[in-house]
Amino acid sequence: DAGVIQSPRHEVTEMGQEVTLRCKPISGHDYLFWYRQTMMRGLELLIYFNNNVPIDDSGMPEDRFSAKMPNASFSTLKIQPSEPRDSAVYFCASSLALAGLQETQYFGPGTRLLVL
Amino acid sequence: DQQVKQNSPSLSVQEGRISILNCDYTNSMFDYFLWYKKYPAEGPTFLISISSIKDKNEDGRFTVFLNKSAKHLSLHIVPSQPGDSAVYFCAASEGSSASKIIFGSGTRLSIRP
Repeated sequence: DAGVIQSPRHEVTEMGQEVTLRCKPISGHDYLFWYRQTMMRGLELLIYFNNNVPIDDSGMPEDRFSAKMPNASFSTLKIQPSEPRDSAVYFCASSLALAGLQETQYFGPGTRLLVL
Repeated sequence: DQQVKQNSPSLSVQEGRISILNCDYTNSMFDYFLWYKKYPAEGPTFLISISSIKDKNEDGRFTVFLNKSAKHLSLHIVPSQPGDSAVYFCAASEGSSASKIIFGSGTRLSIRP
């Protein structure tokens, strides 16, 4: 398996523009997670899905952020409009639906976003 | 307020010596703790974990110690090798679900020759 795939790997955009980050989880994984990494706050969970259904979006910072998972093999994280403080590395991760195996959360390589 | 804290943003250790990375947590309901390792331009990868029913877990050169009364855990790497240079994230979760892991802010470990 190719692992979790994220695109793009790097994104530079101007303030106010819409940004869409994409993720393809590992086939067969029932959970999908979106994280954001910043220097100040480290890794923060934004939202996670179980079987394509959003379960907990309490980590989504504002209404400018939205995430969808239209099918088991694809998810998007959208920021509209983007702001400079959204600049961060965004990770997608997926895991099997097995209790007690938190270590089975596999991360993608991340998308480095820079909002000018 | 951060529930998982890594107060040292960076650590430099000489090759062959012991590296000790520390982590504190505030939520007494956490019962599963993990360490992830992250290389530049890659996502974090799982390294080692410990359940709250234990106070030590060892895997080769890596040992995690848990002190529940102090709400403190540490990762020991011995001997340290150049390939250990990376960012290490401490993480914790409540219950046995893989659903929600709380990460610390990370400690950058540099192994010098």
